[in-house]
Amino acid sequence: GENVEQHPSTLSVQEGDSAVIKCTYSDSASNYFPWYKQELGKRPQLIIDIRSNVGEKKDQRIAVTLNKTAKHFSLHITETQPEDSAVYFCAASRWTFSGGYNKLIFGAGTRLAVHP
Amino acid sequence: EAQVTQNPRYLITVTGKKLTVTCSQNMNHEYMSWYRQDPGLGLRQIYYSMNVEVTDKGDVPEGYKVSRKEKRNFPLILESPSPNQTSLYFCASSSWTAGNEQYFGPGTRLTVT
Repeated sequence: GENVEQHPSTLSVQEGDSAVIKCTYSDSASNYFPWYKQELGKRPQLIIDIRSNVGEKKDQRIAVTLNKTAKHFSLHITETQPEDSAVYFCAASRWTFSGGYNKLIFGAGTRLAVHP
Repeated sequence: EAQVTQNPRYLITVTGKKLTVTCSQNMNHEYMSWYRQDPGLGLRQIYYSMNVEVTDKGDVPEGYKVSRKEKRNFPLILESPSPNQTSLYFCASSSWTAGNEQYFGPGTRLTVT
């Protein structure tokens, strides 16, 4: 079945360093790739997303890159801060008439720890 | 305030005792979903719904039922809960007119003994 693999499962960085989280998807028809951040004890929240018609998208310190040929996308966080500490989930979806982008396949998550 | 609400937030029950977790959204979103979150497995979609009376299976639908009789509500039903359904459950809603972002509820922690 469809699958999204996410690496690493845990990531520890010093404040100010960059962090990179990588995901690989199996369904070549996937064309929507959101990233969600979940702080401890809280609900997941969307931080950035990308559609397959672009290769990169940036929002301040966060960027996502997409390589459709390799079926690979990554989250880049620059100048990390302690408040970036959370679990990050990547996901993949393809648009369908019956569900839009509502059928999401999530990766297993990456626990990011940013140390002051 | 735009929000997704779930009830109850915590539930401990016994094997085989039917239960319902309610989910409601006030954003007039057409899409709603249920997920379960387990350590090391991330978020797995149980069921989703495109609109009233339209539901479809996600990746792990076995042992669950849903209904969508009204646009704002999407209850999750466990007819005969088993210990392997012990998990953290999230309801979410989204709309293609709002960028497809899934707005998650606060979560329901279910323990089945």
